[in-house]
This record gives sequence, C-alpha cells and structure tokens, in this order.
Amino acid sequence: DAKTTQPTSMDCAEGRAANLPCNHSTISGNEYVYWYRQIHSQGPQYIIHGLKNNETNEMASLIITEDRKSSTLILPHATLRDTAVYYCTTDSTGANSKLTFGKGITLSVRP
Amino acid sequence: NAGVMQNPRHLVRRRGQEARLRCSPMKGHSHVYWYRQLPEEGLKFMVYLQKENIIDESGMPKERFSAEFPKEGPSILRIQQVVRGDSAAYFCASSAKNEQYFGPGTRLTVT
Repeated sequence: DAKTTQPTSMDCAEGRAANLPCNHSTISGNEYVYWYRQIHSQGPQYIIHGLKNNETNEMASLIITEDRKSSTLILPHATLRDTAVYYCTTDSTGANSKLTFGKGITLSVRP
Repeated sequence: NAGVMQNPRHLVRRRGQEARLRCSPMKGHSHVYWYRQLPEEGLKFMVYLQKENIIDESGMPKERFSAEFPKEGPSILRIQQVVRGDSAAYFCASSAKNEQYFGPGTRLTVT
C-alpha cells in the first residue's frame, strides 16, 4: 500500500470548514484512499473512502486530485466534537484488507 | 445493532503472566482485524482473521502472540509471558465489505 504523509497538526474555528490534506504520491491505480479519525483514546471511526471520484457523505467530503497523488478531507462545518486525530491511508483491495495508519493529523477545533 | 465489542476494557498483568483480549464483531461481519497502538503512536496492523482461518498475520510478533476466531464465540488475542513493552491499546475491527468498524479497545498495562 502507498505511503501517506500528512501535516502534524492544524486548527480551525468552530463553524468553519476544515480542509485536511494528505499526500499519497506512490498510490497505484487500484488503491483506494481511506480516512478514519480517532477521538481522544476511542477506537478509530471510519469517515469516507474513494478511488478517483470525489465522494460525499453525511460526515465529510473527499476530494482526490486528478493524478490521485493527493487528497483533501473536508469537514464543511467543524464542531468542537470534530477535534481528533485524522488518519489518511490507502488500501489496494478496496475491501477487507489490513490498514496502515501513520501518526495522522491532529485537528483542533477552537470555539 | 450493537457495534464491535471488546473486553476487558482495561487489563493489568504482571510480567510473565498471560493476557487474553476478546473481540465480538458486529452482527453479520465475518472478518476481524487486530491492531496495536503504542503511546503517542499510530495504529499498527497485527492480524486479519476470518472464521476459523488466519488470513494475514504479517504484523504479529513471532513469539508469544497468537490469535484465533473460532466458529462460535469471540475472536481472542492471546499474549503469553507479557513484558512491559506489551503495554498498549489493542483495537479490534470487523468488516463486511469496505470499511472497518473499530471497537473501543483494550488497554493493557504490564507492571
């Protein structure tokens, strides 16, 4: 699976959009991009995944560049409860495979 | 529909004892994954199991660690002769299709 790199941390104001970047320049054609988050010491929570088209669900939007070498997770209206570590990872099977998590990006939402 | 359940949530063992961590996947899920998270680190994949089969154990330490997912009952991660370096949070995840759903974790402390 491709290695991903993310900034260490970022913050945003409550109510504003949070745009979390991820680089995966070595991603191969069949690898999906997944985003999970971990709030404090809880178990990670699935957010969204995609292959090449942009995706949106009730939690977030995922924008994948045309060359697929990077992506951005967008939380459209961040709340204090969105403060968490966000992990970007790739998976070559798209289903039922091990995930590799780096250190992620710590998002702090300020009031 | 109950989520992934893990027990115990906290486990304290003295060096040399055995630790048994249990994971009940979500209803209808037949794939189970175990991950370990050391303090201030990201999650590291350990093992992927389906009912009665180990599919991928590439992340398991070669000694003292074993995992099973019997036909009936929860998946078990077993650590024999624990050492202080085994102190970590152990997360189990289950899946049916694409995304993995994580349990709350078991925090193992070795004294």
